[in-house]
Amino acid sequence: DIQMTQSPSSLSAFVGDRVTITCRASQSISRYLNWYQQKPGKAPMLLIHDAGSLQSGVPSRFSGSGSGTDFTLTISSLQPEDIATYYCQQSQRSPWTFGQGTKVEIK
Amino acid sequence: EVQLVQSGAEVKKPGESLKISCKGSGYSFSTYWIGWVRQMPGKGLEWMGFIFPADSDITYSPSFQGQVTFSADKSINSAYLQWNSLKASDTAIYYCARRGLGGFDFWGQGTLVTVSS
Repeated sequence: DIQMTQSPSSLSAFVGDRVTITCRASQSISRYLNWYQQKPGKAPMLLIHDAGSLQSGVPSRFSGSGSGTDFTLTISSLQPEDIATYYCQQSQRSPWTFGQGTKVEIK
Repeated sequence: EVQLVQSGAEVKKPGESLKISCKGSGYSFSTYWIGWVRQMPGKGLEWMGFIFPADSDITYSPSFQGQVTFSADKSINSAYLQWNSLKASDTAIYYCARRGLGGFDFWGQGTLVTVSS
């Protein structure tokens, strides 16, 4: 199985800060990398697919980059409604695997 | 509007059987893979596998192969997740989700399954 490792596991930042979450795959997954946001008590929501494509309806402050084994999710200006846990997921090979999640909080 | 609506919360005893459902609307249900994802209490997301409703082609995660059964009825736009003998460790929220061009683009609201004696 392809292992996905996110860092950090949690972070705290001020409203307006630029926030970066990284995701590393245990082997190359080309650009088959997706990012999800999960707010407490809610289902996950797709933010970014194929490493850098913004899902329809997602605010433009979210962006993704990377290829191969190293990927990044960036929130350009953190907003209070961005409080959530963020997961990366590889869709290059079955079984699809998720990272362990990054919990984002406001300072 | 694309929607996936899941069946309601369940409370079961160990050894009992269970089948939960996921009903799609607002799109051509048969032509998109439906995935199942487990989230144990306070934990992360785990991919269980996919089913293609048009022909019931199935891919299971090795971690769930033999533990659960996927099925679908394209005539009523529904997918199902089934257990023959529940264990306490099956306690979790189970999500169905549509596989889009990349990733899961639409999700059900989740079904909480509680297994307790």
